[in-house]
Amino acid sequence: NAGVTQTPKFQVLKTGQSMTLQCAQDMNHNSMYWYRQDPGMGLRLIYYSASEGTTDKGEVPNGYNVSRLNKREFSLRLESAAPSQTSVYFCASSLDRGQPQHFGDGTRLSIL
Amino acid sequence: DAKTTQPPSMDCAEGRAANLPCNHSTISGNEYVYWYRQIHSQGPQYIIHGLKNNETNEMASLIITEDRKSSTLILPHATLRDTAVYYCIVRVMDSSYKLIFGSGTRLLVRP
Repeated sequence: NAGVTQTPKFQVLKTGQSMTLQCAQDMNHNSMYWYRQDPGMGLRLIYYSASEGTTDKGEVPNGYNVSRLNKREFSLRLESAAPSQTSVYFCASSLDRGQPQHFGDGTRLSIL
Repeated sequence: DAKTTQPPSMDCAEGRAANLPCNHSTISGNEYVYWYRQIHSQGPQYIIHGLKNNETNEMASLIITEDRKSSTLILPHATLRDTAVYYCIVRVMDSSYKLIFGSGTRLLVRP
């Protein structure tokens, strides 16, 4: 049972490039989330999906888009990467709103 | 969500119990206490949560005071792998989706 799987684990981009971070969960959870964590700081919510077919902005959505492809998969896209988006990105899922969230191991993204 | 206060760091000897305190004096009646931890370079890991009764699972025990203004996470037999930052979070079960991680307690388990 893999839980929450994120790909890739590491990525280096140049400013202006685009890329999509992938996240999949195998726990049949309804809700999924994308967070970013900057050095020495807590996690900040970028976007979330309460259920399949819905997405909503979190506290730091600018510069990102998301797609809830199906119940299992929730992707995060950077259309035009900027150095300020250098961070560790975590995907999480929960059975429903308010239930404990289970996290992947993160994608370490550097933008030069 | 209520504010929480945790000591910035603690240490304990391997094999001994680790008792991590959390103060949440402004907690509301419908707010739960959640504990997560983050081992270096990994994603946060859910540990346990409770409302007012003490809770125990395979990882830890959660003791909540009768007035619910504070709680203690207990790792009964700490191992070196328990070295991590531990976060106490208070939130309503069906509240907003985001988790607000404070600065947490950095626990160092000594050999």
